[in-house]
Amino acid sequence: DAGVTQSPTHLIKTRGQQVTLRCSPKSGHDTVSWYQQALGQGPQFIFQYYEEEERQRGNFPDRFSGHQFPNYSSELNVNALLLGDSALYLCASSLARGLSTNEKLFFGSGTQLSVL
Amino acid sequence: GQNIDQPTEMTATEGAIVQINCTYQTSGFNGLFWYQQHAGEAPTFLSYNVLDGLEEKGRFSSFLSRSKGYSYLLLKELQMKDSASYLCAGDYGGATNKLIFGTGTLLAVQP
Repeated sequence: DAGVTQSPTHLIKTRGQQVTLRCSPKSGHDTVSWYQQALGQGPQFIFQYYEEEERQRGNFPDRFSGHQFPNYSSELNVNALLLGDSALYLCASSLARGLSTNEKLFFGSGTQLSVL
Repeated sequence: GQNIDQPTEMTATEGAIVQINCTYQTSGFNGLFWYQQHAGEAPTFLSYNVLDGLEEKGRFSSFLSRSKGYSYLLLKELQMKDSASYLCAGDYGGATNKLIFGTGTLLAVQP
């Protein structure tokens, strides 16, 4: 049973460029969340996708956008990259929350993005 | 806000017991997660507390006090491999799984 997979593992971009990161959720999961983790910090919630729509969003600018496909996989797009966007980007999958569900988030290993 | 506060660093000795504390805002709170993260790796789930009290799972235990906005992770019989960052995360998502993470506590286990 494959867990959450992300690609690429590492990426180097320059300021102003655009980047697309990809995530395949754990088998059976239908919800994908994206987090940004700067060095020495905890992960920060970017947004969550369910049924191919953005369901909730954290405090990130519109330069950060995403998409979820019918097979539940997801992409994170960042436009007009800034130096401060350098971070580990984590994808987490889960089942859509039910009325009494404590679903665990399963994290991928992340994409390390460096903006030069 | 939903500030999650935990110590930045801790040091402990192999074989000993260590307690990592976490405080959080109680407004909108659903439950409390603890994750372990080794350098360069994904966070891995340790525990999820919804009700007050202590939940034990092998060498690791987690405690929650909802009225005090307080949790701790207790690690017993420390091993060198327990050296990692321990992330406290509050579940404030309502209908979603939105977690608010603390900065993490970097635990160094020394021989």
